[in-house]
Amino acid sequence: ILNVEQSPQSLHVQEGDSTNFTCSFPSSNFYALHWYRWETAKSPEALFVMTLNGDEKKKGRISATLNTKEGYSYLYIKGSQPEDSATYLCAFINSGAGSYQLTFGKGTKLSVIP
Amino acid sequence: DAEITQSPRHKITETGRQVTLACHQTWNHNNMFWYRQDLGHGLRLIHYSYGVQDTNKGEVSDGYSVSRSNTEDLPLTLESAASSQTSVYFCASAPDRGRREQYFGPGTRLTVT
Repeated sequence: ILNVEQSPQSLHVQEGDSTNFTCSFPSSNFYALHWYRWETAKSPEALFVMTLNGDEKKKGRISATLNTKEGYSYLYIKGSQPEDSATYLCAFINSGAGSYQLTFGKGTKLSVIP
Repeated sequence: DAEITQSPRHKITETGRQVTLACHQTWNHNNMFWYRQDLGHGLRLIHYSYGVQDTNKGEVSDGYSVSRSNTEDLPLTLESAASSQTSVYFCASAPDRGRREQYFGPGTRLTVT
């Protein structure tokens, strides 16, 4: 079973603050790294899918970077808003077993205080 | 608009009963997945399918089965429900095996008493 670690587990920030989270994954046999946003009582929604070392993706105030050689990805939120409050999941795909399954981290729960 | 639906949304059943959770997608995706979500574990893969007649076991497949007779549906069956299977179940579909996003259904909350 592959291990995907996310940190911190949770954090509280003030509205307007910028913040970032980390996702660590095994660096061998990398295939893809997904980020999802999961609001309470809803289902996960994709933010980014990243496949190449050095990838940087951006959607509005949210951006992500990827380092496949050292096995980590950062998610950044600039100028946090209350509507950004959610759990942010990363998920890793390893191509070694040939099954292309997503292995999820436990998520980082973000609370933005107005 | 294309969508992915799950039914029922909530179910209470007794230990030992067979239960089937439905998942239906209109995206015409070949790839479909079942996950369970539990406190302290995040999302864990139960079974997945890459196309009609194809099914594969995931990380936590014991006690569960799936079948894929058409592109749109991947029902999940609990052969003999156990209290350890009380969980929230999410179905997802995707246009490929990993380099594009998965689309998640709304979830089914299952309680086994």
